[in-house]
Amino acid sequence: SQTIHQWPATLVQPVGSPLSLECTVEGTSNPNLYWYRQAAGRGLQLLFYSVGIGQISSEVPQNLSASRPQDRQFILSSKKLLLSDSGFYLCAQGQSYEQYFGPGTRLTVT
Amino acid sequence: GDSVTQMEGPVTLSEEAFLTINCTYTATGYPSLFWYVQYPGEGLQLLLKATKADDKGSNKGFEATYRKETTSFHLEKGSVQVSDSAVYFCALSGRGSARQLTFGSGTQLTVLP
Repeated sequence: SQTIHQWPATLVQPVGSPLSLECTVEGTSNPNLYWYRQAAGRGLQLLFYSVGIGQISSEVPQNLSASRPQDRQFILSSKKLLLSDSGFYLCAQGQSYEQYFGPGTRLTVT
Repeated sequence: GDSVTQMEGPVTLSEEAFLTINCTYTATGYPSLFWYVQYPGEGLQLLLKATKADDKGSNKGFEATYRKETTSFHLEKGSVQVSDSAVYFCALSGRGSARQLTFGSGTQLTVLP
């Protein structure tokens, strides 16, 4: 069965510091991978998706970036965090119509 | 573009009450429709799905029917339990190559004993 790992589970970072969130997937090959952000009390916003190694599509302009160095690894990064980057970050994988989500990383920027 | 409109919450019900959470959508073509549930502090779990018109998705006592004529996918449960307390998201999957999901804003459900 498919398993999605996200690391770390929680993170508190100061404004202006760098960020690296990692997502790894088990039990499937060549999945579509997605990064979503959920701001407090709000819905989910798609940030990035990837249909293959090195292929990244961005849905919204921002100071975040994503990379897919391996088939089952998806990384979300920032060089300098903003207060508005606080939120719950969810990684998801899918191969047809369904998507399956990881446990999420709660990021607080102070 | 695609969009999903959900009934605004929060919704508070007593145990064993009937639940309806409304969801309507706007999309080109014939999207697949989903309900996801998010328990406190956790990621999203797929609750049920429907991939074509008149399909009924069901799971754990929840049901939703894909109504093309009204562009709706309302979530229902006949008798809710305290353990159903969570945030529920309606979503659609477009026909693009990456199958991106478009989510509604979520509906917080609290079930009281």
